[in-house]
Amino acid sequence: EAGVTQFPSHSVIEKGQTVTLRCDPISGHDNLYWYRRVMGKEIKFLLHFVKESKQDESGMPNNRFLAERTGGTYSTLKVQPAELEDSGVYFCASSQDRDTLFFGPGTRLTVL
Amino acid sequence: KQEVTQIPAALSVPEGENLVLNCSFTDSAIYNLQWFRQDPGKGLTSLLLIQSSQREQTSGRLNASLDKSSGRSTLYIAASQPGDSATYLCASRRSSNTGKLIFGQGTTLQVKP
Repeated sequence: EAGVTQFPSHSVIEKGQTVTLRCDPISGHDNLYWYRRVMGKEIKFLLHFVKESKQDESGMPNNRFLAERTGGTYSTLKVQPAELEDSGVYFCASSQDRDTLFFGPGTRLTVL
Repeated sequence: KQEVTQIPAALSVPEGENLVLNCSFTDSAIYNLQWFRQDPGKGLTSLLLIQSSQREQTSGRLNASLDKSSGRSTLYIAASQPGDSATYLCASRRSSNTGKLIFGQGTTLQVKP
């Protein structure tokens, strides 16, 4: 069974540009989460989808971040416009129950 | 607001040693606590999950304990091996109504052959 996959693995963009990160959860997992780790800090929660509905988006830093999960399958996280402080590793995770989360390898975003 | 702290930030031990990683949390009202392992360039892998009603969980050479009253959890690794080298993270979950995890910064472990 395929695990959680994320694309791209790395992205380097300039300040002000737009970047879209994609996450494909494990098939059948209703719960999908986005987390990120910025340099020197702990991994922080961004938001939680149940199917295609946003269950909790309390961790989204500002309105430059937009997450979608159309059809309740894959999810995208768009950053527009990107700022220097957005650099970090963005992780996606999925779960069937809420205890056992399966994490993807992450997307390393560098904003220059 | 829950804060999770892990000490030490980094640890280097010779192969074969038993070791303890520490995790403390400020809000004892947790639903469960998990320990994860992260290898460089990889995602997080769940190692052990302790529900708030439990005191410890064991898997192979790993044992995790939970003391809610003192706001502490430990991960004990017995007979460490070079393959145990990784970053270990603990994360708390506040309630069954949320999937949100609060992570510590992690302890990076190096086990030298």
